[in-house]
Amino acid sequence: DAGVIQSPRHEVTEMGQEVTLRCKPISGHDYLFWYRQTMMRGLELLIYFNNNVPIDDSGMPEDRFSAKMPNASFSTLKIQPSEPRDSAVYFCASSLALTGPSLANYGYTFGSGTRLTVV
Amino acid sequence: GNSVTQMEGPVTLSEEAFLTINCTYTATGYPSLFWYVQYPGEGLQLLLKATKADDKGSNKGFEATYRKETTSFHLEKGSVQVSDSAVYFCALSDRGSGGGADGLTFGKGTHLIIQP
Repeated sequence: DAGVIQSPRHEVTEMGQEVTLRCKPISGHDYLFWYRQTMMRGLELLIYFNNNVPIDDSGMPEDRFSAKMPNASFSTLKIQPSEPRDSAVYFCASSLALTGPSLANYGYTFGSGTRLTVV
Repeated sequence: GNSVTQMEGPVTLSEEAFLTINCTYTATGYPSLFWYVQYPGEGLQLLLKATKADDKGSNKGFEATYRKETTSFHLEKGSVQVSDSAVYFCALSDRGSGGGADGLTFGKGTHLIIQP
């Protein structure tokens, strides 16, 4: 497996524009996570899905942020409208499980991230 | 609830120095413990893990021992290289037996800088 695939790697956009980040999890992983990383706040969990269903979106900062998972192999994180304070690296991760031996032995697998700059 | 506390960074060392990055945890159950590494411009990668007390995880010259009595999982390496410069994250997964949160709980990360 090629691992968790994110696109684009870098995105520069103007304030007010819509931004869509994409993620392809590892095949067979039932859980998908979206994280945001900044110098100020570190690594923050935004939302996670189980079998394509959003389970916990309490980390989504505002209504400008939305995430979808239309099928087991694809997820998007959308920001509309974008603002300069949204500039960060956004990571997608996937895992086999949220508890038990599968999590204990394998943890999460992260993608390489999308570096978003909003000017 | 679950929490992971790591030493503040950045930690700056000279090449071939001995490394210790401290990690302590609070968990309601019987967690598994992990160290992840993030090299510049990349995502987090699993470095090593330990699933029960007194287990030692090791990889790429790094080691960490699961110490239940001190609730710690300190990362060590005997001789660091410039290529070890990265951000290191300690994490735990609670097995849920004590009612703790599912999934991984991450520390804030420790930035390690190795100078030649």
